[in-house]
Amino acid sequence: RKEVEQDPGPFNVPEGATVAFNCTYSNSASQSFFWYRQDCRKEPKLLMSVYSSGNEDGRFTAQLNRASQYISLLIRDSKLSDSATYLCVVNPIFGNEKLTFGTGTRLTIIP
Amino acid sequence: ETGVTQSPTHLIKTRGQQVTLRCSSQSGHNTVSWYQQALGQGPQFIFQYYREEENGRGNFPPRFSGLQFPNYSSELNVNALELDDSALYLCASRTKIGTSGGAFNEQFFGPGTRLTVL
Repeated sequence: RKEVEQDPGPFNVPEGATVAFNCTYSNSASQSFFWYRQDCRKEPKLLMSVYSSGNEDGRFTAQLNRASQYISLLIRDSKLSDSATYLCVVNPIFGNEKLTFGTGTRLTIIP
Repeated sequence: ETGVTQSPTHLIKTRGQQVTLRCSSQSGHNTVSWYQQALGQGPQFIFQYYREEENGRGNFPPRFSGLQFPNYSSELNVNALELDDSALYLCASRTKIGTSGGAFNEQFFGPGTRLTVL
């Protein structure tokens, strides 16, 4: 079983729609959770951290369910500029920042 | 821009050769990590350096080695290249956890070096 699993997609979504990504992780002792965004042929960039209480940044909402070892990302009112690959990322060990990435979910927003 | 630079941007090598990739960290960052990203996959952790010492390693063979210099720049060396080593190699820098507060110090990625092994 992979340490971090996510649906690779692709997701092709019309502009303005809401899209949700899900991710599961295998190490129940994992400490930190994130969503990164990676544009084609570019480096990953931190989109947002994910907390048990849930957190929101504009059109983006992230949720963490530790009991189910499940992480989600919701994008509302999607824009063309949201087209990218979204990487679910887990840091298994506090103090040792070895980020464990999922394979990424490719999102294309259609005009 | 993240302030993290990598060189070269692209590289073509043949099987069995050796390669050295370079990374300059963002100013003030004393920890650097290297990741390998194969096509269609997420980045995989290779190793991390803090104050010139290896401080964690992923599931990569010993032919993957690294160095960190006093100015916190870093090198990734790969010996005896194999076809499967073809990938985007990313370095990421940050301050050591605990040195600037908070539970997580964001890692800033460089643009990567795309290595092709023929």
